[in-house]
Amino acid sequence: DVKVTQSSRYLVKRTGEKVFLECVQDMDHENMFWYRQDPGLGLRLIYFSYDVKMKEKGDIPEGYSVSREKKERFSLILESASTNQTSMYLCASRIRGGTGPLHFGNGTRLTVT
Amino acid sequence: AQSVTQPDIHITVSEGASLELRCNYSYGATPYLFWYVQSPGQGLQLLLKYFSGDTLVQGIKGFEAEFKRSQSSFNLRKPSVHWSDAAEYFCAVGAQDGNKLVFGAGTILRVKS
Repeated sequence: DVKVTQSSRYLVKRTGEKVFLECVQDMDHENMFWYRQDPGLGLRLIYFSYDVKMKEKGDIPEGYSVSREKKERFSLILESASTNQTSMYLCASRIRGGTGPLHFGNGTRLTVT
Repeated sequence: AQSVTQPDIHITVSEGASLELRCNYSYGATPYLFWYVQSPGQGLQLLLKYFSGDTLVQGIKGFEAEFKRSQSSFNLRKPSVHWSDAAEYFCAVGAQDGNKLVFGAGTILRVKS
């Protein structure tokens, strides 16, 4: 079974802090994703990566950056956290090409105070 | 612009009753459609997907969905709901590469005994 692991289940950070959310997958998937989940808005794509060091903006990239130095790891970075970034963050991975599903981690609930 | 509408925020059904969750989409090209389920505290899991062919698709856990191009709909159904089906359900649309899915806002299903 594919496993996508997000390093923290809950995080509380202060406004202005630099925040790192880490995600690791164990199935050698080329594609990895960061989504933000908010009630009433569903999931919105922040960034995705289709290879090491490659990234592409999603629908809401403002205020975020990403890093993919190794195939199995995809990090989401909030350079200067703000209260409007309080949310649930979901990481996902999938194999490149074909019709394979997204495999999701269990999420990191970030609170910015 | 592509979008997904799930008109029902909450649905409550009795255990053993039938279920239909509605999904309408707007997409400029051939849509590839998905239903995901999220149990409390978990990431999302793929229930089923439609790419082409038979418009009635079967998924896991006894779910099925029907693609109706004329109505731009992809409704999810189950003939008999079990208490373990209580979760949030997301409809999504995207291109074949599956990399930039657009998710609906979700429908929370409650099952009463």
